[in-house]
Formats: sequence, C-alpha cells, structure tokens
Amino acid sequence: QQPVQSPQAVILREGEDAVINCSSSKALYSVHWYRQKHGEAPVFLMILLKGGEQKGHDKISASFNEKKQQSSLYLTASQLSYSGTYFCGTGNNRKLIWGLGTSLAVNP
Amino acid sequence: DTGVSQDPRHKITKRGQNVTFRCDPISEHNRLYWYRQTLGQGPEFLTYFQNEAQLEKSRLLSDRFSAERPKGSFSTLEIQRTEQGDSAMYLCASSLQGDNEQFFGPGTRLTVL
Repeated sequence: QQPVQSPQAVILREGEDAVINCSSSKALYSVHWYRQKHGEAPVFLMILLKGGEQKGHDKISASFNEKKQQSSLYLTASQLSYSGTYFCGTGNNRKLIWGLGTSLAVNP
Repeated sequence: DTGVSQDPRHKITKRGQNVTFRCDPISEHNRLYWYRQTLGQGPEFLTYFQNEAQLEKSRLLSDRFSAERPKGSFSTLEIQRTEQGDSAMYLCASSLQGDNEQFFGPGTRLTVL
C-alpha cells in the first residue's frame, strides 16, 4: 500500500520552516526520507525505525509515530538548496514502497 | 568507491526491440534494487537481490522484464518486446543488508518510440 504524502507542494521563502507528512494504512516498520532534484537520483536524508532508532543527517529532523502510522519531516530555516521533491518510503526490512512526493520550492 | 553506476545513461529504442541495462553497485553492498520512475511519480519498486538471489519481484512486472545478478556484484535488467509504456527512468540502488540507506545510481532513461 502506497504511503500518502502531504502537502503535495510547498513554496517557502528562504529561512522559513516546513513540515512534510507521510502516512500509511499499514503498520510501519521503517520510514525512509529522500530528496530528489530535477534530473537527478534520489539522495538519502533519514531513516526512522520502529522502536525509535534514527539514522541520518544531523541537520534534518523527523518524527515517527508508530501508533498513528505516520512520519513527519521537519525542515527548519530553509535554504535555497532544500528545493526539490521529497519522498517518503515505507520499508519492511526488504523493500521500500514510495509515496508520490512533496514538491518544495525555496525562493530568495 | 565511486558509488553506484548505471549504463547506458540514455537508451532510445523502437517498439518491439529488446533492451538491457547494467548496474554496478557499491562493492560491499549485498543488496541491489531496481526501480522505475515516471514524471511526477515516486520510484516504483521492480525487484531486489540479496547477493545473487532475487528475493522479490513486483507483481506489477510483466514477464517481459527479467533481472539477474549472477555473481552477486553487477546486475542486468532486460526488457523484451518493449512497449511505449515502458518509457521511464530506470533506477538502480544498493545498500547493506537490513533497513539501511539506499544509494542510487544516476539512472537509465529509456525512450520507446
């Protein structure tokens, strides 16, 4: 079952904050977050695992609510380089099922 | 290590032709994934390997698609009798076993005329 991401698109001014959500209808084992810029491959941001373990970049923060089967990615003090499409993928220690993405544009 | 590489980067073919793509993963990674991505969509899981064993294949994948990883290193994805609907970016990724970061290659863009 494909996870649902919201919002579909966000436009920010540099320095503003944003939250991107990912929810699943199935129990989550893990949630992966990636960012993809136009014409490039996805780049890893963070993994959140059931039980609370997180692996990822220090400057990115995210939450994982197992009961609600949701994860949120928090982008604070946005920079121009944050622009791109953010994907969440729900994992089961085997494969990832990806959401449709959230397009983020950061303007000066 | 230079990361995940894919070859070719672009492929244009006529409908009905067969195509083969290659992926070279990061050398110490025992997992290798193939995804397909079309414009405005997230990557769609096709199949994955752990070492040389193909452990899962998407039910959406027709019999025209086949993948191999003969020695647990590089992998090939073959599409037989290509159709226009096969036009997409084909992404390869590799990772260590378990729920770990997937490292993506640059992709092969397939255009079927």
